[in-house]
Amino acid sequence: SAVISQKPSRDICQRGTSLTIQCQVDSQVTMMFWYRQQPGQSLTLIATANQGSEATYESGFVIDKFPISRPNLTFSTLTVSNMSPEDSSIYLCSVQGSRASGGAREQFFGPGTRLTVL
Amino acid sequence: GIQVEQSPPDLILQEGANSTLRCNFSDSVNNLQWFHQNPWGQLINLFYIPSGTKQNGRLSATTVATERYSLLYISSSQTTDSGVYFCAVLTQGGSEKLVFGKGTKLTVNP
Repeated sequence: SAVISQKPSRDICQRGTSLTIQCQVDSQVTMMFWYRQQPGQSLTLIATANQGSEATYESGFVIDKFPISRPNLTFSTLTVSNMSPEDSSIYLCSVQGSRASGGAREQFFGPGTRLTVL
Repeated sequence: GIQVEQSPPDLILQEGANSTLRCNFSDSVNNLQWFHQNPWGQLINLFYIPSGTKQNGRLSATTVATERYSLLYISSSQTTDSGVYFCAVLTQGGSEKLVFGKGTKLTVNP
């Protein structure tokens, strides 16, 4: 299974500011995913990030609000821009196991970044 | 889009009791996973189980893909089993994505 780290683990930010979350994986992966988990809720996919191409955003999420970078096969960043208290959530990055591993497409998650916006 | 429904939404047990959590999904899927989210927010992979039955210690899972449901069994529950259990399915089609149910919140009391 992939080992995924995220920075920061938590942060408290003022409204109107931006925060960039980093995700590092210990192996090369084609796709990386970013999820949001609002308080008491389930996980919702924000976008899929492939190396060398623009991220694909899900309905309700836009690039201006959540710009994503994917400079190489082991790293990605998600920025939460112009934050408001409604952005207070846990943000998680995720990767999928390679097809080489018996065709499995098991998905693994990082420890998450707990964001509070005041 | 695909619907993933989990039941029950909340479950309170005494230590040592057994439980069954259910996940229903509305369409054919490529994959199904069960996760445990601990009180610190970490998502722990329990099972990757698109079909069939798997066991890991006190936990086991069964997916009947043709009937579009999966069950997670917890036996001899412990207080450390507390947390939220999520079922997630990988949709079919050109752009696969993992869709989560709303979870079952399990509380195991000593």
